[in-house]
Order: sequence, then C-alpha cells, then structure tokens
Amino acid sequence: GESVGLHLPTLSVQEGDNSIINCAYSNSASDYFIWYKQESGKGPQFIIDIRSNMDKRQGQRVTVLLNKTVKHLSLQIAATQPGDSAVYFCAEPNAGGTSYGKLTFGQGTILTVHP
Amino acid sequence: NAGVMQNPRHLVRRRGQEARLRCSPVKGHSHVYWYRQLPEEGLKFMVYLQKENIIDESGMPKERFSAEFPKEGPSILRIQQVVRGDSAAYFCATNQGGDTEAFFGQGTRLTVV
Repeated sequence: GESVGLHLPTLSVQEGDNSIINCAYSNSASDYFIWYKQESGKGPQFIIDIRSNMDKRQGQRVTVLLNKTVKHLSLQIAATQPGDSAVYFCAEPNAGGTSYGKLTFGQGTILTVHP
Repeated sequence: NAGVMQNPRHLVRRRGQEARLRCSPVKGHSHVYWYRQLPEEGLKFMVYLQKENIIDESGMPKERFSAEFPKEGPSILRIQQVVRGDSAAYFCATNQGGDTEAFFGQGTRLTVV
C-alpha cells in the first residue's frame, strides 16, 4: 500500500482564514517530505519541504509541521487566499531511493477558498 | 515549472490506437520521471530514465507501455493498443539526479474513446 496518505479529502475555508492540511505516513524510516500544490489542469508545484531532523519549517505564508512520534505532518497556510484553491499532496522520495524525482504521493486534499 | 515541456497537452485516441507522449526536460536536466494520475487520485510513479537508459520501470505496466529518452530529443512515453483504462493525465518530472528538486510539466491528458 501507499506509505503516505491524507486524513481529509476536502477542505473549504473562507478567504483570510488559516488552513491546515494533514498527511500521515507509515514508514518510520522516512526522512524527507515535500508538499506540492496542483492547480486545475496543471502539474504539481513544489511548496515546501522538511527533513526528519526538523519539527517545523516555515515559508512564505506556509508552515510544515512534522510529528515523527505519530508519523504525521501538516501544511498550514496562513491568511488563505482564493489563489490557494488547489489540490495539495504530501509526497516522499521512494524509500531507499537515490533520486528525489521518484516520489510516492498521497491521495491529495482539495482546498477550496471562498471569497 | 515552465521549463519542463510536455506535448501534446490533450490527446484523444480510439481504442487500439497508439499514443505517444513527449517530455522535454529543463535545460541541463538529464533525469526524467513519468507519472500517471487518474481522476481524483494522486500521481503514481511509472518509470525513471536517464539519457538513453531506463533506471527504474517498476511502476510501468509490462504490456503495451514503453519509454525512452534518446541522446537527442525529448523523452517519449508510448502506449500501444490503448484501452479506456489508459485515460488519465500523464506527467513528467525532470531533475539533475540525486537529491535535487524535480520539476513537473503541465501534463498530457489522454482520453481514449
């Protein structure tokens, strides 16, 4: 089965609210995770990544939290905007692989932002 | 990333025909990865190629599917004798190998009628 997966398939928020998207993984040896945003009709776009030696990493309006104890990570988007509406995936490089191009993706969460 | 070019963007084929999907990497990238995405699902890895070599084809069906990345020109994903179940979006990603970021193209949406 998949080593990454998501708790909630859809999330609807009002513009300006904060959004939290969750992801669970099963392999305790996983050491690197990436969040992607995929807009309708487009390819996945890198948002932010985190390594297992970190608990938190911040970007512009986005924060990723990693809880290795329960094998869970989350993506937080502050002050969500209509342009944030997309499908969000967590992904990890293939376990034991040597290339960050071979990825295992979670199912995805559809984020809809209402103005 | 705008640097990865896939064409065509949309492709319609009748059952039994062949589909050829092309991926031109970001300049300087010699590693290509193909993925398939069914509606409402995540991307599934198919095959990993480095110039003229298939590195990992563990996600590619054994029948009807093949991939190449010649010394010159784009990478090609070829699907022979397409069936309706092949209808999906096919994405390629490219990088410089190792732990370098991979950039995705906009995808080819294949519809088999």
